[in-house]
Amino acid sequence: ETGVTQTPRHLVMGMTNKKSLKCEQHLGHNAMYWYKQSAKKPLELMFVYNFKEQTENNSVPSRFSPECPNSSHLFLHLHTLQPEDSALYLCASSQERGDSYGYTFGSGTRLTVV
Amino acid sequence: GQQVMQIPQYQHVQEGEDFTTYCNSSTTLSNIQWYKQRPGGHPVFLIQLVKSGEVKKQKRLTFQFGEAKKNSSLHITATQTTDVGTYFCTGTYKYIFGTGTRLKVLA
Repeated sequence: ETGVTQTPRHLVMGMTNKKSLKCEQHLGHNAMYWYKQSAKKPLELMFVYNFKEQTENNSVPSRFSPECPNSSHLFLHLHTLQPEDSALYLCASSQERGDSYGYTFGSGTRLTVV
Repeated sequence: GQQVMQIPQYQHVQEGEDFTTYCNSSTTLSNIQWYKQRPGGHPVFLIQLVKSGEVKKQKRLTFQFGEAKKNSSLHITATQTTDVGTYFCTGTYKYIFGTGTRLKVLA
């Protein structure tokens, strides 16, 4: 258990489905992040939230829609995804945005789009 | 834009051999952080370096921050099978992580 919990751990969805990924942290952190990790690729930043406000959108396609209702919860809503969107989606949190004290990552959601 | 490159991409070593990965940034970094991701796992924070020329040690791991604060290295002495994984660096600027070095240790 890392302090950052992601659900589900695995998800298989069709290209026409709508699903949501959930991330929850009880570390008292103020910043939360979504990263995408594809096979043999570096961690790709998707979104950054600081005190519930989105501060970064790394040119992510609109079929990915984030939501941050409070500093402890972060969602990633998925719709009409493509097979190339299959990847490990990692949520992370930090005390402050771009923190000097390190990011705490969740265990990730392994997404397969069929 | 800023890029953070790591070399090598892959490294296979015999157990007991030393290992070094290098992190190079195109811009000056305010700090450098290192993470380890075990196979099938998630990145875990190892350490942060802040000062120019700083050297920190964690048991068999030695981390160094370059004098110009544009590069860093992670050195593992006498690798063990538990060292297997991918090592990432980040300068936290724009939340960009390095390309990672995947280490395999042969017993």
